[in-house]
Amino acid sequence: EIVMTQSPATLSVSPGERATLSCRASQSVSSNLAWYQQKPGQAPSLLIYAASTRATGIPARFSGSGSGTEFTLTISGLQSEDFAVYYCQQYNNWPITFGQGTRLEIK
Amino acid sequence: EVQLLESGGDLVQPGGSLRLSCTSSGFTFSMYAMSWVRQAPGKGLDWVSTISGTGGSTYYAASVKGRFTISRDNSKNTLYLQMNSLRAEDTAVYYCAKEPNVGAGGWFDPWGQGTLVTVSS
Repeated sequence: EIVMTQSPATLSVSPGERATLSCRASQSVSSNLAWYQQKPGQAPSLLIYAASTRATGIPARFSGSGSGTEFTLTISGLQSEDFAVYYCQQYNNWPITFGQGTRLEIK
Repeated sequence: EVQLLESGGDLVQPGGSLRLSCTSSGFTFSMYAMSWVRQAPGKGLDWVSTISGTGGSTYYAASVKGRFTISRDNSKNTLYLQMNSLRAEDTAVYYCAKEPNVGAGGWFDPWGQGTLVTVSS
C-alpha cells in the first residue's frame, strides 16, 4: 500500500499570503495525484488532478506541482473561503490512498 | 449538473447489515466508474470500494473485503454498498463519488453529500 504523508498537519497563514502544502508518497505515483478541499460539514471537492491540472471552476490561485513522490499544492493570495482541510490522494496503485490532511487556518 | 444523493445510513448493532444507495443524475451513469469513500468522525478520508462502469471490475480496501459488496444498477442510475458484519470501526459518513472514466482508478469528482452509518450497541 502506498502511504501518503502530508505536511504540515496544520498551517497558519494570513489572508492575502501564500500557502504551500506538501504531500509525499512512499513510492512513485507518477502524476496520478489529486488534491481536495473540505470545509466543515461539507463533502470534499476536487481542486487538482493529474498533479497539476485544475478542476473545472477552480480559481487560478490554486496550483499543483510535482511528480513521482513529492507534490505541492500552492494557494496564492489566500481568501477567507480557502481556510479548510486539504487532502491529497494517489490513484496510481490499488488501494487508492489519501493523505491524513492539512488544516489551513487563519493566522 | 451532476448530482449524487446517498441514502440508507442508520444506527446498526455490531454484526448487523446495511445497504447504502447512491442515486445519480446529470450524466450517463454507465460510462463512469463509481466509488465509496468514508470518513470517520473527526478523521480523514478512507477509500472503501470502486466499481467500473460496466460493473465487471470491483476493488475493495483490505479493511472491508469479504464484508462489503459494491454493485450498480445502470438501468436505475444507482450505486450500492452492501455492508455485512459491521463493526464499530465502520462508523463513518459514507460518500459516493464519480470517477473520470469507465475504467476504475482515478480521482473523485463530484462527491455526494454523504450518509451517516453508526455501528453501536
